[in-house]
Amino acid sequence: KQEVTQIPAALSVPEGENLVLNCSFTDSAIYNLQWFRQDPGKGLTSLLLIQSSQREQTSGRLNASLDKSSGRSTLYIAASQPGDSATYLCAVTGNNTDKLIFGTGTRLQVFP
Amino acid sequence: DADVTQTPRNRITKTGKRIMLECSQTKGHDRMYWYRQDPGLGLQLIYYSFDVKDINKGEISDGYSVSRQAQAKFSLSLESAIPNQTALYFCATSDTGTGGTDTQYFGPGTRLTVL
Repeated sequence: KQEVTQIPAALSVPEGENLVLNCSFTDSAIYNLQWFRQDPGKGLTSLLLIQSSQREQTSGRLNASLDKSSGRSTLYIAASQPGDSATYLCAVTGNNTDKLIFGTGTRLQVFP
Repeated sequence: DADVTQTPRNRITKTGKRIMLECSQTKGHDRMYWYRQDPGLGLQLIYYSFDVKDINKGEISDGYSVSRQAQAKFSLSLESAIPNQTALYFCATSDTGTGGTDTQYFGPGTRLTVL
């Protein structure tokens, strides 16, 4: 059974710092991995999707990497801003399945 | 206007009551999903539907039922609500399978409290 773990569970940093969020999964037979952002009282917004054949994806200040063989992904946020404060979730899709398996999330606070 | 809407946004009910949560989408997607989120547990899949005639159980379907009334509408019912069904419920849609390049698009969530 696929299990997805995110470390740390919570992170508080000053504005301007570069930071890394970690995601690990137990079954490397994945089709893709996604990073989502969740704001309080709102749904999830997809940030980046990495296919299993890809190593990384970039969008603005965000860069997500994938090491499928070791079951790890990282989300790198450059020059963090208070508006980046949210919960970040990673999720994997297994081969031959249409189901997303979510991690428990990292709650990020960026203070001025 | 939001592409995926959920009603109600908040609901407080009592044990034993029947509750229906509704989801509508304007994205024209075939696939729709219901998840619940509990603190510290992430999102868990309850039911999903690949088209109007296709309904599938997810990880935690016990105590829930669904109805796909149309391509754009997917409802989740709790036949007899119990307190451990207190959670945040999300609906999501996708165009093709998430095994491809399409992500899932989420509604704003319904916060359900069962007393």
